[in-house]
Amino acid sequence: GNSVTQMEGPVTLSEEAFLTINCTYTATGYPSLFWYVQYPGEGLQLLLKATKADDKGSNKGFEATYRKETTSFHLEKGSVQVSDSAVYFCAPYTGGFKTIFGAGTRLFVKA
Amino acid sequence: NAGVTQTPKFQVLKTGQSMTLQCAQDMNHEYMSWYRQDPGMGLRLIHYSVGAGITDQGEVPNGYNVSRSTTEDFPLRLLSAAPSQTSVYFCASSSSSSYYDKTYGYTFGSGTRLTVV
Repeated sequence: GNSVTQMEGPVTLSEEAFLTINCTYTATGYPSLFWYVQYPGEGLQLLLKATKADDKGSNKGFEATYRKETTSFHLEKGSVQVSDSAVYFCAPYTGGFKTIFGAGTRLFVKA
Repeated sequence: NAGVTQTPKFQVLKTGQSMTLQCAQDMNHEYMSWYRQDPGMGLRLIHYSVGAGITDQGEVPNGYNVSRSTTEDFPLRLLSAAPSQTSVYFCASSSSSSYYDKTYGYTFGSGTRLTVV
């Protein structure tokens, strides 16, 4: 069946550091790929998405590229801020109304 | 525009009690769903609906009921609460109700934190 693996957290970085959160997936068919972010005490928010191979999704300085050959969708940001502290979820979706969410990676950014 | 509204935000139940978690959206979304979030396990789908009068089971439906009488509302009922149902519950909606449309993401509510003692 479909599954997704995210790097375990927590990830702790200093402000202005480079961020990478790894995400790999297995899926039947050709999924769309999503990253969601959950700030403390809130629900998930859609951060970015990519719907076909080699597409790059971007939002708020975050980027992720759909790598079909490695079945990966790693999240990157060049310079993190304290306000980026949150939990990040990778979520491949192959249709059929059942999105799979990764376990989430908690990010702490220190001033 | 309120988006997806969940009530209550917090709830404590005794084992065996029943309750209904409310979810309402004002975006005219056909697709609505309920997830539970447990530490280290990500989000797991409980039930979903693709329109009024249409519901289906997700990954972990046991112990929960849903109904969809209007486009706006999708309540989740716990029939007889158990400690294993202690979790954070999220309602989510999407503008797409197509089985094959993979391009739309979800809008989430802010969650209900439920503790069963």
